[in-house]
Amino acid sequence: AQSVTQLGSHVSVSEGALVLLRCNYSSSVPPYLFWYVQYPNQGLQLLLKYTSAATLVKGINGFEAEFKKSETSFHLTKPSAHMSDAAEYFCAVIANSGYSTLTFGKGTMLLVSP
Amino acid sequence: KAGVTQTPRYLIKTRGQQVTLSCSPISGHRSVSWYQQTPGQGLQFLFEYFSETQRNKGNFPGRFSGRQFSNSRSEMNVSTLELGDSALYLCASSLEPGQGAVSGANVLTFGAGSRLTVL
Repeated sequence: AQSVTQLGSHVSVSEGALVLLRCNYSSSVPPYLFWYVQYPNQGLQLLLKYTSAATLVKGINGFEAEFKKSETSFHLTKPSAHMSDAAEYFCAVIANSGYSTLTFGKGTMLLVSP
Repeated sequence: KAGVTQTPRYLIKTRGQQVTLSCSPISGHRSVSWYQQTPGQGLQFLFEYFSETQRNKGNFPGRFSGRQFSNSRSEMNVSTLELGDSALYLCASSLEPGQGAVSGANVLTFGAGSRLTVL
C-alpha cells in the first residue's frame, strides 16, 4: 500500500528563514503526491501537486516541492517564511489511481517566530 | 464561485445518539469524498461518492454511512455515537473521481469541516 511519512510533527523557524518540511513516500508505482495546508478552524487547501509532469513543482504562496525518486522524497520548501505561513501542513499520496482517495501523512505544524 | 459548504460547522451530541452531516459540493462537481480528522489518527478516508454511487469506502465500522443525491449533495450519518467519534469531518469535491482527480481543476477541494463533539 502506498503511504507517506512526514518527519517532524513540529518545525520552528524565524520569519525570513528557509522553510523545509519533509515528506517521504513508499510506492511501488509512480505516485501522485500532494501538499495541503490547514489553517486553524479551516479545511485543507491545496498548495501543490506532483503528477509526473515535472520534478520541481511550484505552488501557491511561494512554496515549491521537488520530487526525488532516488530518495523517495517530496519535501516542501519556501525560501523566506512569513508569519502568515504558520499552519499545519500535510503531505498526501493517491493510494489508487482509479480513485480520488488520498492517504495523508500525520502532518507537520509550522511555527513562525518574529 | 462558492466553495464546498458543510453544515453544521459545530455540533455536540451525547453517546448513543446519531448525527447527520451535510456537504454541498462546488457547482458542477459530481464527486464527493469524506474524511475524518482526529488528533490521534490524523486524516482518514471515509467514503467517496460519484453519481449517487459509493465508489470507495475506508476502514470504518458500519455505524458510518453516507449517500449522495442527484444534485451531488452528500450526507454522512453516524449512528450510536461513541466518544471516539469526536472529530472534524471534512468533505471534499472534485469534477470527477479517479485519474481525473489529479489533473487540472479536478483536484479535491475541501470544505471547512463539521466539528463533532460527543459527550
